[in-house]
Amino acid sequence: AQSVTQLDSQVPVFEEAPVELRCNYSSSVSVYLFWYVQYPNQGLQLLLKYLSGSTLVKGINGFEAEFNKSQTSFHLRKPSVHISDTAEYFCAVFTGGGNKLTFGTGTQLKVEL
Amino acid sequence: DADVTQTPRNRITKTGKRIMLECSQTKGHDRMYWYRQDPGLGLRLIYYSFDVKDINKGEISDGYSVSRQAQAKFSLSLESAIPNQTALYFCATSHPTRSPNVLTFGAGSRLTVL
Repeated sequence: AQSVTQLDSQVPVFEEAPVELRCNYSSSVSVYLFWYVQYPNQGLQLLLKYLSGSTLVKGINGFEAEFNKSQTSFHLRKPSVHISDTAEYFCAVFTGGGNKLTFGTGTQLKVEL
Repeated sequence: DADVTQTPRNRITKTGKRIMLECSQTKGHDRMYWYRQDPGLGLRLIYYSFDVKDINKGEISDGYSVSRQAQAKFSLSLESAIPNQTALYFCATSHPTRSPNVLTFGAGSRLTVL
């Protein structure tokens, strides 16, 4: 069975500082990996995805993530955050056999002045 | 109009009442899903449907039922609501071949069971 672990439930950071949100997954087969963002009082929207190819993927709003197969990780990074990045971020994994996405428990990013 | 529309957006009800949450989409996607979001637990899959005649249980289907009335409509029912079904419910859709498993979410339906 596949699972996703987001170790940090909350990450406070000052504006213009870099941030990394951690995601680890477990799966014995090939995976597709995703990061979704949920702004306050809204549904989730796709931030970026890894399906194949280059292990460094770029998403919207200046975010990027790196797929590391040996460490089974897919950490999300941004070199300089903005107040508007305050949101909850969800990592998700899909394996073809499961036919559905499994989400992590989410990381609340709070950007402060 | 939103691609995925959920109604109602907010609902307060009492224990034992029957509740239906509705979802409609204009994406033309075959696949539709119902998720439940609880603080600290992330999103958990309740039911999913890959076409009108296909309904599948997710990881937490007990106490819920669904109906796929048409390609564009997928409703979630709580036959007899209980307080631990208080949560934020999301409907989502996806296309089976284009951008596989990229979900488009509705804005959510917040349900409170007293």
